[in-house]
Amino acid sequence: RKEVEQDPGPFNVPEGATVAFNCTYSNSASQSFFWYRQDCRKEPKLLMSVYSSGNEDGRFTAQLNRASQYISLLIRDSKLSDSATYLCVVISLSMNSGYSTLTFGKGTMLLVSP
Amino acid sequence: ETGVTQSPTHLIKTRGQQVTLRCSSQSGHNTVSWYQQALGQGPQFIFQYYREEENGRGNFPPRFSGLQFPNYSSELNVNALELDDSALYLCASSLWGQGETQYFGPGTRLLVL
Repeated sequence: RKEVEQDPGPFNVPEGATVAFNCTYSNSASQSFFWYRQDCRKEPKLLMSVYSSGNEDGRFTAQLNRASQYISLLIRDSKLSDSATYLCVVISLSMNSGYSTLTFGKGTMLLVSP
Repeated sequence: ETGVTQSPTHLIKTRGQQVTLRCSSQSGHNTVSWYQQALGQGPQFIFQYYREEENGRGNFPPRFSGLQFPNYSSELNVNALELDDSALYLCASSLWGQGETQYFGPGTRLLVL
């Protein structure tokens, strides 16, 4: 089982649609969770953090369920500019050496059409 | 922009050659992590450097090695290149102890023929 798994995609949606991304992780000791956005041929950029209490930023809502080891991202009222690949990221801390490892999912591509 | 720079932007090599990729971290950041992103995949952790030493490593063979310099910049070296090494190589800088917040450079796109 992969450490971080995401919906395979791509998701093709019209402008204004609501789209949900799902992600599961296998390491129950994981400590922090994020969604990154990656535009074509660009570097990943942090979109938002994910908390058990939920995190909302405008049209974007992220949620964490630790018991199910499940992370979600909801985008409401999709815009053309939302077209990108969305990467689920899980962070684990190495207790021995103290470094943090970012483990990325494969990413789910979103294509928003007019 | 993050302030993290990488060079070169693109590179073409042939199988068996060696390559060196470079990364300058964001001002004040003392930790550099390297990632490999193959086409259609998410970035995979290669290793991390702090205080000029390798501090953690992912599942990559020893022919992937690195350096960190006193100014915190870093190099990734790959020996005996294989076709599967073709990928986008990303470096990310952070402050030690704040590794949850990593700032990525634009990457170096390597093609091995």
